[in-house]
Amino acid sequence: RKEVEQDPGPFNVPEGATVAFNCTYSNSASQSFFWYRQDCRKEPKLLMSVYSSGNEDGRFTAQLNRASQYISLLIRDSKLSDSATYLCVVNSYNFNKFYFGSGTKLNVKP
Amino acid sequence: ETGVTQTPRHLVMGMTNKKSLKCEQHLGHNAMYWYKQSAKKPLELMFVYSLEERVENNSVPSRFSPECPNSSHLFLHLHTLQPEDSALYLCASSQVEGTDTQYFGPGTRLTVL
Repeated sequence: RKEVEQDPGPFNVPEGATVAFNCTYSNSASQSFFWYRQDCRKEPKLLMSVYSSGNEDGRFTAQLNRASQYISLLIRDSKLSDSATYLCVVNSYNFNKFYFGSGTKLNVKP
Repeated sequence: ETGVTQTPRHLVMGMTNKKSLKCEQHLGHNAMYWYKQSAKKPLELMFVYSLEERVENNSVPSRFSPECPNSSHLFLHLHTLQPEDSALYLCASSQVEGTDTQYFGPGTRLTVL
């Protein structure tokens, strides 16, 4: 079983739509959680960390459910510029090791 | 502006060449990583250095040889590569203590002819 699993998509949504991605992780001892964004042929960039209490940054909301071992990312009022691949990342029991999901591709259409 | 730089940004090499990729981080981190990302595939962790010691080697072929002379610099030495080694090679750094995340360099896009 993979450490981190994501729906690869693609999610094709119109501008202004709300879209949600989920990600599941296998290690219950996982310590920290992140969402990254990766544009085509570019490096992954941190979008936001995910805290147990949930956190929001503008149009983006991240949630963590430790009991069910999943994290989610909600994007409201989608913009064309949100088109990218979103990577779920989990830092497990070993602080040196980060587990990346395979990414969920989002296409926002005009 | 990222605190992790990589050179060169693009590299084309033949199968018999020897080349090196360089990564430098300016974030004061003490762990550095090499990842490989092939077209339309997820990131693959290759090597991890923590406090300048290699702590992870994910069964990477010996034609890839990492070097970490200090906590700010990381190299990936390449020799007798294969065309299937063509990919984006990403360097990242993080702080071992705590739960901070990784920061990536812009990558080296490698093409092996």
